[in-house]
Amino acid sequence: GQQVMQIPQYQHVQEGEDFTTYCNSSTTLSNIQWYKQRPGGHPVFLIQLVKSGEVKKQKRLTFQFGEAKKNSSLHITATQTTDVGTYFCAGRGSNYKLTFGKGTLLTVNP
Amino acid sequence: EAQVTQNPRYLITVTGKKLTVTCSQNMNHEYMSWYRQDPGLGLRQIYYSMNVEVTDKGDVPEGYKVSRKEKRNFPLILESPSPNQTSLYFCASSLFRQNTEAFFGQGTRLTVV
Repeated sequence: GQQVMQIPQYQHVQEGEDFTTYCNSSTTLSNIQWYKQRPGGHPVFLIQLVKSGEVKKQKRLTFQFGEAKKNSSLHITATQTTDVGTYFCAGRGSNYKLTFGKGTLLTVNP
Repeated sequence: EAQVTQNPRYLITVTGKKLTVTCSQNMNHEYMSWYRQDPGLGLRQIYYSMNVEVTDKGDVPEGYKVSRKEKRNFPLILESPSPNQTSLYFCASSLFRQNTEAFFGQGTRLTVV
């Protein structure tokens, strides 16, 4: 079945440093979504990428979807303490199923 | 306000005592699903439903049941809970379209002793 691998599992940075998390799918995806879960909270939708090679930005966050629609990345520039949380990618296959990566837990040292 | 509501938020129970976690959404979404979240394992889908009276197994369905008698409600039933079902559970809903986001409930932290 469809699998989505996400690395790294954990990342600790100093405030102001950049951060990147990567996702790889075993199959070609219809789209990929990114969610953020704050400590003690629930996953909240950040963005969706649909087109091959698509790049989207939200302030300091940059999201990319690979040309083959099998991989994606989230890059945060100049992290802040408010960026703390777990970032999940979720790939949607042709059967509609949304498969989540295991997430990357980001901690930021002020 | 558009939301997915789960109850209870916290539950401690004993092995073998049947329990139900409720989930309700007010967005008229067709698709609903249950996930469990465990450290290092991410979000794993337990069951999902594409519409009323249509349910199917996800990746980890053993020990769970669901029903979808109404569009807004999707309860998760543990007929005989065991300690390995101690976890954080999330209900999620979305429109049944490819390019649509999932809305998650606040979560239910279940402990089975």
